[in-house]
Amino acid sequence: GENVEQHPSTLSVQEGDSAVIKCTYSDSASNYFPWYKQELGKGPQLIIDIRSNVGEKKDQRIAVTLNKTAKHFSLHITETQPEDSAVYFCAASMGTGFQKLVFGTGTRLLVSP
Amino acid sequence: DGGITQSPKYLFRKEGQNVTLSCEQNLNHDAMYWYRQDPGQGLRLIYYSQIVNDFQKGDIAEGYSVSREKKESFPLTVTSAQKNPTAFYLCASSTGGDTQYFGPGTRLTVL
Repeated sequence: GENVEQHPSTLSVQEGDSAVIKCTYSDSASNYFPWYKQELGKGPQLIIDIRSNVGEKKDQRIAVTLNKTAKHFSLHITETQPEDSAVYFCAASMGTGFQKLVFGTGTRLLVSP
Repeated sequence: DGGITQSPKYLFRKEGQNVTLSCEQNLNHDAMYWYRQDPGQGLRLIYYSQIVNDFQKGDIAEGYSVSREKKESFPLTVTSAQKNPTAFYLCASSTGGDTQYFGPGTRLTVL
């Protein structure tokens, strides 16, 4: 069935380093790719999203890239800070008409001071 | 304040009981969703509703039921038929089918 694979499952970096999380999707018709940040015990918060007509989008220290040919998209966080520590989820829209989101399994990011 | 609220934050259920989780939004969104999250896993779709008085099953609807009588409200009932209901439940809403905004979640524990 339709699925989204996300890697790595855990990522540890030092403060100030960059972090990259990668996702692969299966449905070639997917056209919307959001990223969410989830802190412990809270609901996911949308941090950035990209649509299929764009290859890259940036918002301050966060950027997302999309390669539709390879069906890959990635989240890039530069100059990481301890408050970036959380679980990050990617998602891809699936289906025709009313599109649903299919989520990756999450990446736990730990930024050490 | 605009947003999505879920109640209660924590819920304990005895085996064989039905429980209802509340989800309310004041964002004027047409679509609402329920997801289940288990430790170390992604979000799995239980039910979704595109419009009032209409809803569809998601990937793991067995043992759950919903209603959508008002645009603002989308309650989820976890029935006794759900064999492993202990999980974190998340409600979301959107204006259409893409950008979804999540509530703070309800943690359900079966005693």
